[in-house]
Amino acid sequence: EVQLVESGGGLVQPGGSLRLSCAASGFTFISFSMNWVRQAPGKGLEWLSYITTGGSKIYYADSVKGRFTISRDNAKNSVYLQMSSLRAEDTAVYYCARVRGSDLYHSYMDFWGKGTTVTVSS
Amino acid sequence: QSVLTQPPSMSAAPGQKVTISCSGSSSNIGNNYVSWYQQLPGTAPKLLIYENNKRPSGIPDRFSGSKSGTSATLGITGLQTGDEADFYCGTWDSSLSAFVFGTGTKVTVL
Repeated sequence: EVQLVESGGGLVQPGGSLRLSCAASGFTFISFSMNWVRQAPGKGLEWLSYITTGGSKIYYADSVKGRFTISRDNAKNSVYLQMSSLRAEDTAVYYCARVRGSDLYHSYMDFWGKGTTVTVSS
Repeated sequence: QSVLTQPPSMSAAPGQKVTISCSGSSSNIGNNYVSWYQQLPGTAPKLLIYENNKRPSGIPDRFSGSKSGTSATLGITGLQTGDEADFYCGTWDSSLSAFVFGTGTKVTVL
């Protein structure tokens, strides 16, 4: 059974940092690209970042570029999101999702974790 | 602010049909493939449709997807109370080099 479990969320002060983790199981992790997506309270979905299987290609949403860094450790079946210079507007539930599709133009997310909550507040 | 526009809400009686639109541009829907996601209250999103009109295993054929030009559509027939959820379209945007989601549509079963 495919499972994605996010962790690392919590309360952080504005300007602070946090590292989210997503542990994958039930599939061959090294064969799949991964996304991070977030959802602010009462708002819609916002894609944040994408990383290819080996980490050679990475993309970010403009809203987090320069502040967030995606990475992965295929030996640990995990993908990470290092977040810095956090702002109140980064408060959200953060999901990791497995990416399918032959290329970016066909890409979609077929499995999602349950999410981890990040609250940025003083 | 999303580049894909959906109606904020739609409603219909049980057994009826709803059609949710997703409007974009040539840099996203017009040249790339669309997926649709259902988010039941308090849960993570779930894939409903991929590559414009394909259903993953386990998704009933009451759900269908189509695309024409720079717009996509999700259809739900035989509406059930369990279908009450938020629905999002999504696709890659070649100009932004980013995946983009629609603004989301809340479906209510009357």
